Amino acid sequence: KQEVTQIPAALSVPEGENLVLNCSFTDSAIYNLQWFRQDPGKGLTSLLLIQSSQREQTSGRLNASLDKSSGRSTLYIAASQPGDSATYLCAVRLLQTGANNLFFGTGTRLTVIP
Amino acid sequence: SQTIHQWPATLVQPVGSPLSLECTVEGTSNPNLYWYRQAAGRGLQLLFYSVGIGQISSEVPQNLSASRPQDRQFILSSKKLLLSDSGFYLCAWRTASYNEQFFGPGTRLTVL
Repeated sequence: KQEVTQIPAALSVPEGENLVLNCSFTDSAIYNLQWFRQDPGKGLTSLLLIQSSQREQTSGRLNASLDKSSGRSTLYIAASQPGDSATYLCAVRLLQTGANNLFFGTGTRLTVIP
Repeated sequence: SQTIHQWPATLVQPVGSPLSLECTVEGTSNPNLYWYRQAAGRGLQLLFYSVGIGQISSEVPQNLSASRPQDRQFILSSKKLLLSDSGFYLCAWRTASYNEQFFGPGTRLTVL
């Protein structure tokens, strides 16, 4: 069974600092990996989607990388801002067919201190 | 563009009362639809998914049921709520061809 781990569970950084969030998964037979942001009491917002054939994706100050062979992904946030404070979740979709093939980590709660 | 709606946004219900949460998707057709529950301090748990009208698959045995009466409508129900049904319920969709998943704003359910 696929297990997705996110470390650290919580992170506090001063405004302006660059930071990296980590996601690891046990089964490398993935179709894609998706990073989400969740604000308190809100739904999940999709940030980046990396297909298994890709190494990285970028959107603005965000850059996500994927190393499928080692079962790792990182989300790099440049020049962090207080508005980046949220919980960040990664999820991997397996190659197997079927709707129940998306596995979530438990998230990293990020606080950016002004 | 696609939009997903959930209502109500918050709900407080007594134990033993019925439940009906609704999710609708706009701007796409024949989506796969999902209901998740997110309990405090825990990850997302997939409850139900549907690949088409009237087609429902359940992931875990539970007190809840789901229905899909229309292509872009997904309903989560219960006849009698339990305390353990409290949580944050999220509806999601993805197209069958492009495997990116999108979530609704969620419903916070508190069972007293």
